Amino acid sequence: DTGVSQDPRHKITKRGQNVTFRCDPISEHNRLYWYRQTLGQGPEFLTYFQNEAQLEKSRLLSDRFSAERPKGSFSTLEIQRTEQGDSAMYLCASSLTAGGFSGANVLTFGAGSRLTVL
Amino acid sequence: GIQVEQSPPDLILQEGANSTLRCNFSDSVNNLQWFHQNPWGQLINLFYIPSGTKQNGRLSATTVATERYSLLYISSSQTTDSGVYFCAVPNAGNNRKLIWGLGTSLAVNP
Repeated sequence: DTGVSQDPRHKITKRGQNVTFRCDPISEHNRLYWYRQTLGQGPEFLTYFQNEAQLEKSRLLSDRFSAERPKGSFSTLEIQRTEQGDSAMYLCASSLTAGGFSGANVLTFGAGSRLTVL
Repeated sequence: GIQVEQSPPDLILQEGANSTLRCNFSDSVNNLQWFHQNPWGQLINLFYIPSGTKQNGRLSATTVATERYSLLYISSSQTTDSGVYFCAVPNAGNNRKLIWGLGTSLAVNP
């Protein structure tokens, strides 16, 4: 187990282009999260998967953003028609929870994918 | 929603010094996590501490849930402790969504 992997680590794109980020969680983890972090701020929740089901989405996730976890393993986060305001670090985390809704939920984060929109 | 406040926002230490970081939260929570983000952006979970005290090497954390605060203690600081320390709590009892403070930025000088 090599931890949570994210790819690419850095992406520079022009406004209006589409970008896709990939996250490979720890293999036995059932939950996967996407967070966004801008300079000087803490991470902001974007969305969450329990296995392959996307169970929660933040209002921050506009219709230009879409996330998938097709087989309950890796996940992709796509941003369409990027805007300069999308520039941020996109963080993926995974966790294993066996305690139901209120069980312990310790997150392991990947190194992040830094997006710069010119 | 729940508010999370961390103090101090910035801290500069000489190597070997001790420090205490504080996290206040505005509502009852059933867990709290402390994270360290290194200068390259990697977030590492330090403690999952809904209440009581835990220790891990030179770091320890205490959460007093009834008074809505948590403390992170760093003893004998090292330059590798530099980075940003965040606390995060679940939103309104939903442990799937964490609400984060703005962090304490720590610089440890040799």
